[in-house]
Amino acid sequence: DIQLTQSPSFLSASVGDRVTITCRASQGISSYLAWYQQKPGKAPRLLIYAASPLHSGVPSRFSGSGSGTEFTLTISGLQPEDFATYYCQQLDGYPLTFGGGTKVEIK
Amino acid sequence: EVQLVESGGGLVQPGGSLRLSCAASGFTFSDHYMDWVRQAPGKGLEWVGRIRNKANSYTTEYAASVKGRFTISRDDSKNSLYLQMNSLKTEDTAVYYCARGSSGRNRKLDYWGQGTLVTVSS
Repeated sequence: DIQLTQSPSFLSASVGDRVTITCRASQGISSYLAWYQQKPGKAPRLLIYAASPLHSGVPSRFSGSGSGTEFTLTISGLQPEDFATYYCQQLDGYPLTFGGGTKVEIK
Repeated sequence: EVQLVESGGGLVQPGGSLRLSCAASGFTFSDHYMDWVRQAPGKGLEWVGRIRNKANSYTTEYAASVKGRFTISRDDSKNSLYLQMNSLKTEDTAVYYCARGSSGRNRKLDYWGQGTLVTVSS
């Protein structure tokens, strides 16, 4: 199975900060990586697919990059509504797998 | 507007069975792959399985943790997705989400339901 390791697992930041979350795959997955945001008690929401394109309706302060084994999610100018948990997911091979999550909290 | 609505969750004893449903609307259901993802209380996301569309023979994939116990099916005439769960274990306790999947270059789970809670306990 393809393992995804997210770092950090917890992040404390202030409104307006630039935040970067990393996702490393245990083997190359081309660009078959998606990022999701989840708020407490809510379903996950797709932010980014294929490593970099934004899903419809996602603010442009979110961006993704990477290919192969290393990927990043960047939030440029953290907003109050961005405090949540973020997950990466690989869709290169079965079983599909998720990273362990990164919780972004208010400093 | 794409909508996915799960139902069928509840309390079940270990070893029991439960069938979850997911009602889809707002898109051509028959064109899409469909997935189940679960989340144990306080834990991260775990992919459960997938059913492909008719063009791909409705083939299925499962996580090792549920293979042989869970079965995913769909009824395109009813725009519905199902998850039959047998031989349930306490570790299957989770919120279960259905999600719309896609293949090709832009692989993603782009829309999710609100989830339904399954509790396996005696």
